[in-house]
Amino acid sequence: AQSVSQHNHHVILSEAASLELGCNYSYGGTVNLFWYVQYPGQHLQLLLKYFSGDPLVKGIKGFEAEFIKSKFSFNLRKPSVQWSDTAEYFCAVNLWYSGGGADGLTFGKGTHLIIQP
Amino acid sequence: GAVVSQHPSRVICKSGTSVKIECRSLDFQATTMFWYRQFPKQSLMLMATSNEGSKATYEQGVEKDKFLINHASLTLSTLTVTSAHPEDSSFYICSARDSSQGTDTQYFGPGTRLTVL
Repeated sequence: AQSVSQHNHHVILSEAASLELGCNYSYGGTVNLFWYVQYPGQHLQLLLKYFSGDPLVKGIKGFEAEFIKSKFSFNLRKPSVQWSDTAEYFCAVNLWYSGGGADGLTFGKGTHLIIQP
Repeated sequence: GAVVSQHPSRVICKSGTSVKIECRSLDFQATTMFWYRQFPKQSLMLMATSNEGSKATYEQGVEKDKFLINHASLTLSTLTVTSAHPEDSSFYICSARDSSQGTDTQYFGPGTRLTVL
């Protein structure tokens, strides 16, 4: 079964600092990759996703992620964080089947990001 | 973006009773929905895949007789926790798959907090 590991469980940064959150997955087949964000008291929201094509994907709120197939990685980046980026960030993966469709998501354990003013 | 709702948002019940949770896709049709469970300070774990018009498929270790899933229409899936016990207390989250635009993205509901006394 596939698994997803997020290297940093807690990250504390100051405003304007650059952010990179690591994500590695364990499956070598065709996968779809996602980053979700959960702001305090809110539900999961999709930040960005990778299905195919350009391995550098841009999402909402200035976030981007790069898919490096050789490293099984999909790290999330933002050049300059804001206090409002304080949230829980989840990397997720699912498998794409040749007949079309995909299955449920396997999530990483999440990274709690705190941005200090 | 696509909206998924859940009802109720919070429920408290006595041990031995059954609880039904609804998941609705509000502005798109979803032939597939997913149910996840999230323990405090942990990640989401996929419980089952709900398929419209057919039986749900359960992940290993999830009791299908305890967690009954019905996907009666293209916009509604229900999860019934039967004979609930305190260890079933958790945060249950559904997602609905939107395949309408050629990509496969899951949109998440706000979750249901179940507390079994």
